[in-house]
Formats: sequence, structure tokens, C-alpha cells
Amino acid sequence: KQEVTQIPAALSVPEGENLVLNCSFTDSAIYNLQWFRQDPGKGLTSLLLIQSSQREQTSGRLNASLDKSSGRSTLYIAASQPGDSATYLCARVGTGRRALTFGSGTRLQVQP
Amino acid sequence: DGGITQSPKYLFRKEGQNVTLSCEQNLNHDAMYWYRQDPGQGLRLIYYSQIVNDFQKGDIAEGYSVSREKKESFPLTVTSAQKNPTAFYLCASSTRGGDTGELFFGEGSRLTVL
Repeated sequence: KQEVTQIPAALSVPEGENLVLNCSFTDSAIYNLQWFRQDPGKGLTSLLLIQSSQREQTSGRLNASLDKSSGRSTLYIAASQPGDSATYLCARVGTGRRALTFGSGTRLQVQP
Repeated sequence: DGGITQSPKYLFRKEGQNVTLSCEQNLNHDAMYWYRQDPGQGLRLIYYSQIVNDFQKGDIAEGYSVSREKKESFPLTVTSAQKNPTAFYLCASSTRGGDTGELFFGEGSRLTVL
């Protein structure tokens, strides 16, 4: 069974810090990896999608990298702000049409 | 604006009742999905559909049923056979069959069994 692990489960940082969220997966034969943000009681908002042939994607203060050989993806958030406080989830898209596997998420709190 | 609409946002059900959660998308996506989210756990796939009139069971399909009669609609029925239905339900869609397409989500429906 494909597994996706996110570390840490929770993180609290002061405003302005740069931070890294980690996502690891057991099967390197992935197609895509997608990072999401979820606010309490809300749906998931897509942040970045890294195609299998890519190594990273950037959007504003966010940068996501993908290393298939080591089975890892990282989400880098620069100059964190209180509005970044949310749960961040990664999802691995693997072979086969039902292989969308989510991690449990990292709950981020940015202190003003 | 294009997007995915889930309704109702909150739903209360008595034990033994079936309830249906609505999911509508105007993104012209072929694939649609239903996930369940419980506190402290990741999302788990209930059902998915690649094309109209076709759907497949996910990892936790027992006690649920779906239909896909129209491309834009993928309703989920939570039946009385579902032993622990209280959860947050999320509908999603993607441009292609989930292999390479970006996934988009609705705002979710929270079901509480009284």
C-alpha cells in the first residue's frame, strides 16, 4: 500500500521566518505531487502541482520541490505571515487511476 | 466563476436514515471523487468516477453509493449501512483520469449523526 508521511505534524513559528514542510512517499513511481492548503472547516485549496518530469514549482512565496529518487517533496514558505496559518497537505498521484494518496498534513501556526 | 459546489454545508441525520450529499462542477472535468476526512487523519477515497455512467469503489466504499448520470454532477448517498458516518466529506474533480491532472476541491459537507 502506498504511504505518504508528512513531518512535522504541527509547527509554530514567529512571523517572518522561512520554513520547510516535508512530505515523503514510499513508491517512487509517482506521476504528480500536489500541495494543498486547508483552513479549518474548509475544503482544500491547491497550492502547487509538480509534474513527474519536473523538479520544482514556484508560486509567490511558495516553492515546492520533488525528488523522486529519495521519495521526498518539500514545501518552502518564505517570510511567513499569520495568514499562512493553516493545515498543509501533500498528495501523491501514482500509477493507476485510483492512486491519489494523501498525507495527514502539517498544521502550521504563524505567530504575529 | 468555475468551481465545485457542495451542498449542504452542514447536515444532521438520525441513525437509520439515508442522506445524499450534492457535488456539482462547472469546470468541464471528466473525473470526480469523493473523500472522507476524519480528525487527525488524511483524506480517504470513497468513490471515484472517470467518465459519465462509470464509477469505481475507493478504499472505504462500504455504506456509500454514488451515481454519475451527468458530467457535472456526482452525488454521494450515505446509507444506514455506514457504521460511523459522522465526518467531513469532500468532493473533488480533475481534468483527466487522476493520473496527471491537477485536483480541485469543493468546500466540503459536514455530516453529523445524532
